Amino acid sequence: GAGVSQTPSNKVTEKGKYVELRCDPISGHTALYWYRQSLGQGPEFLIYFQGTGAADDSGLPNDRFFAVRPEGSVSTLKIQRTERGDSAVYLCASSFGSTPELFFGEGSRLTVL
Amino acid sequence: QKEVEQDPGPLSVPEGAIVSLNCTYSNSAFQYFMWYRQYSRKGPELLMYTYSSGNKEDGRFTAQVDKSSKYISLFIRDSQPSDSATYLCAMSEEGYNKLIFGAGTRLAVHP
Repeated sequence: GAGVSQTPSNKVTEKGKYVELRCDPISGHTALYWYRQSLGQGPEFLIYFQGTGAADDSGLPNDRFFAVRPEGSVSTLKIQRTERGDSAVYLCASSFGSTPELFFGEGSRLTVL
Repeated sequence: QKEVEQDPGPLSVPEGAIVSLNCTYSNSAFQYFMWYRQYSRKGPELLMYTYSSGNKEDGRFTAQVDKSSKYISLFIRDSQPSDSATYLCAMSEEGYNKLIFGAGTRLAVHP
């Protein structure tokens, strides 16, 4: 596709459940990022992949959050034992090489009841 | 204190006005300065991108960076209703791919 694709666009879950959010980056983009945006705030960095490896995961809030990118393209953000405070829009972005010019998807809106 | 401060607004202006949006920051290592526009329920879209200090112009948009004051600005000339959105400033250090965003300023341009 032409842009970054994220699924699902909306996810409602119950506290304690497991959630997976998927990101399909722009074809050819080697770098992939996950950000989290709470209401009224700017995006907050979670993790950055260069190829298959996580080059920087310093933004993951705790060990309930994990992300993979096994083939260097599609990435999955995994959240275990969800909490109400995890409710936010999870944004994925990609870029070509090591440039700060990121292209964002429309996000996955997660609501934890 | 946050690394990047941005007035959340909202800012309401008439069509055709000049709009000034600003951010301040505390980390002197920031070298890349970006402005993103975000429409409601959409992802951020890169508007402009500046490296280090100076000005950059693109159509109706001008970005300015003053590293000595740790202050960046985005000017929008001849504002249009279609410019109504949230404007996010973002910054990163040299060699880093971690963007630090401001909270965003909501802009409404009314006809």
